[in-house]
Amino acid sequence: SQTIHQWPATLVQPVGSPLSLECTVEGTSNPNLYWYRQAAGRGLQLLFYSVGIGQISSEVPQNLSASRPQDRQFILSSKKLLLSDSGFYLCAWSVHSGGSQETQYFGPGTRLLVL
Amino acid sequence: AQKITQTQPGMFVQEKEAVTLDCTYDTSDQSYGLFWYKQPSSGEMIFLIYQGSYDEQNATEGRYSLNFQKARKSANLVISASQLGDSAMYFCAMRGSGYSTLTFGKGTMLLVSP
Repeated sequence: SQTIHQWPATLVQPVGSPLSLECTVEGTSNPNLYWYRQAAGRGLQLLFYSVGIGQISSEVPQNLSASRPQDRQFILSSKKLLLSDSGFYLCAWSVHSGGSQETQYFGPGTRLLVL
Repeated sequence: AQKITQTQPGMFVQEKEAVTLDCTYDTSDQSYGLFWYKQPSSGEMIFLIYQGSYDEQNATEGRYSLNFQKARKSANLVISASQLGDSAMYFCAMRGSGYSTLTFGKGTMLLVSP
């Protein structure tokens, strides 16, 4: 069966510091991968998605970036965090089918607080 | 463009009763999929149920069923025999055939009381 891991689970960082959040998927090959952010009490905002190694699509302009160095590894980074980067970051994966039935499965998330 | 609307910010239900969470959508795609996710206080998004736009029957998964009314563009989630563990945030989402990603609604908070 497939599992998805995210770490760290929680993170408190000062403004201006760098960020690296990691997501890995087990039990599947060549998944589509996604990064979402959820502000407190709000819905999900798609940040990045990837259909393969080195292929990253950005949905919103921000000071965040994403990389996919390996097939089942997805990393979210920032060189300098802003207060507005605080939130709950969720990674998700799906089996590429190209159809409307493609289901995304989410990881446990990382709670980030920027002070 | 795709849009999901969940008009109920919060819902209350007593244990063992049924509850319906509303979801309406807007899309110009002929082929699309509708999804419901549950987010408990722990934060993880849990996939509950899927309905395809061409599916003739409403989807069911255990105590969850999806009341799909295509002409009205609605995809309401029905939870039968509510349990205390059903207390959570519920999100409706859709994916059109021409899109690579999901569009989420703003969610409905469900509280189940004893």
